[in-house]
Amino acid sequence: NAGVTQTPKFQVLKTGQSMTLQCAQDMNHNSMYWYRQDPGMGLRLIYYSASEGTTDKGEVPNGYNVSRLNKREFSLRLESAAPSQTSVYFCASRLGFEGSYGYTFGSGTRLTVV
Amino acid sequence: AQSVTQLGSHVSVSEGALVLLRCNYSSSVPPYLFWYVQYPNQGLQLLLKYTSAATLVKGINGFEAEFKKSETSFHLTKPSAHMSDAAEYFCAVSAPSDYKLSFGAGTTVTVRA
Repeated sequence: NAGVTQTPKFQVLKTGQSMTLQCAQDMNHNSMYWYRQDPGMGLRLIYYSASEGTTDKGEVPNGYNVSRLNKREFSLRLESAAPSQTSVYFCASRLGFEGSYGYTFGSGTRLTVV
Repeated sequence: AQSVTQLGSHVSVSEGALVLLRCNYSSSVPPYLFWYVQYPNQGLQLLLKYTSAATLVKGINGFEAEFKKSETSFHLTKPSAHMSDAAEYFCAVSAPSDYKLSFGAGTTVTVRA
């Protein structure tokens, strides 16, 4: 019963490098989300996908792109990493788009950009 | 738009003492409210949620929260703290038509032996 799986768990990038964070869920959830967590700022939404085939910007989308590859997978890409993107990234999913559904979170990717 | 404010970024309690974490919300419509816990180097886990069925909501690990509309609050309590309760706790709000949950800044709980 894996839930939400994120890879990699840790990554160090040099400024200007690119990478893709992977997320997969096995709960047949329709909606998926990418958040970043920074000290004292809670979680901020980067991008989300309400359902397979759709993606939309959240609060802090600049410098990121996403792909909803299929119902299970939702990836986050940093095209040219910057030190300001040093953060912990969480993928989450929920069964439906309606507000009463809570999230199931992955264990996070800790990214450092030097 | 919905938002939450968590009062106190750090709370320190003695083992066996009451844990009280404060959350106030702002919402133009009846909200859905959530509490999540994050243990060190882990993702967030759902503790409990309020979806209008009952104002007193019981969650996992002995936690409960009470929805008070008149005070726009959803405070989290546990009667007796355990060392394993040391973690960061997040309050979150959503609305029926909301595409996302909005999170507070978090409260870190330290439990003293």
